[in-house]
Amino acid sequence: GEDVEQSLFLSVREGDSSVINCTYTDSSSTYLYWYKQEPGAGLQLLTYIFSNMDMKQDQRLTVLLNKKDKHLSLRIADTQTGDSAIYFCAETFSGNTPLVFGKGTRLSVIA
Amino acid sequence: DADVTQTPRNRITKTGKRIMLECSQTKGHDRMYWYRQDPGLGLRLIYYSFDVKDINKGEISDGYSVSRQAQAKFSLSLESAIPNQTALYFCATSDSGADLNTGELFFGEGSRLTVL
Repeated sequence: GEDVEQSLFLSVREGDSSVINCTYTDSSSTYLYWYKQEPGAGLQLLTYIFSNMDMKQDQRLTVLLNKKDKHLSLRIADTQTGDSAIYFCAETFSGNTPLVFGKGTRLSVIA
Repeated sequence: DADVTQTPRNRITKTGKRIMLECSQTKGHDRMYWYRQDPGLGLRLIYYSFDVKDINKGEISDGYSVSRQAQAKFSLSLESAIPNQTALYFCATSDSGADLNTGELFFGEGSRLTVL
């Protein structure tokens, strides 16, 4: 079955870069996502990448996809205290199948 | 007002009680989902519905039931609550008619349920 793995915790200093990693098992995954959950709130989509892409950049966010190793990463440049949240990796084969989420990585930013 | 609204936001109940969590959306999306979040376990899918007449079981449907009363409303019921159903429950929606049907989900703010 599908499985998405993430480390549970990451701590970085303000101003440093954060890299959150994710591995998935389903080689037919077509869309891969990063969601952010701030304290007391629901999840919000940060960014997504298609499986035919290697990289996607959006302001301070860079997503890297290594399809051969089934590895997805999210890099946050110049990490700020407002980036403290839980980050979820998710994947799906198509827009017609529900997303499968990882366990989430809690990012703590130290001022 | 939130596009995806969940009620109640917090509920404490006792073992054996029937509980209903409600979700309504103003986004006009056809697809709705119920997920459960537990610390260290991430989000797990309970049930989903692709339209009013469609109901599908997710990964952890045992002990739960759902009703899609209208396109905008999707409720989750626990017929006889037990303590290991203590969790944060999220409703989400998606739009199959979006220009890019990527399956992007839009979440409510969550309903925290405690079963004593």
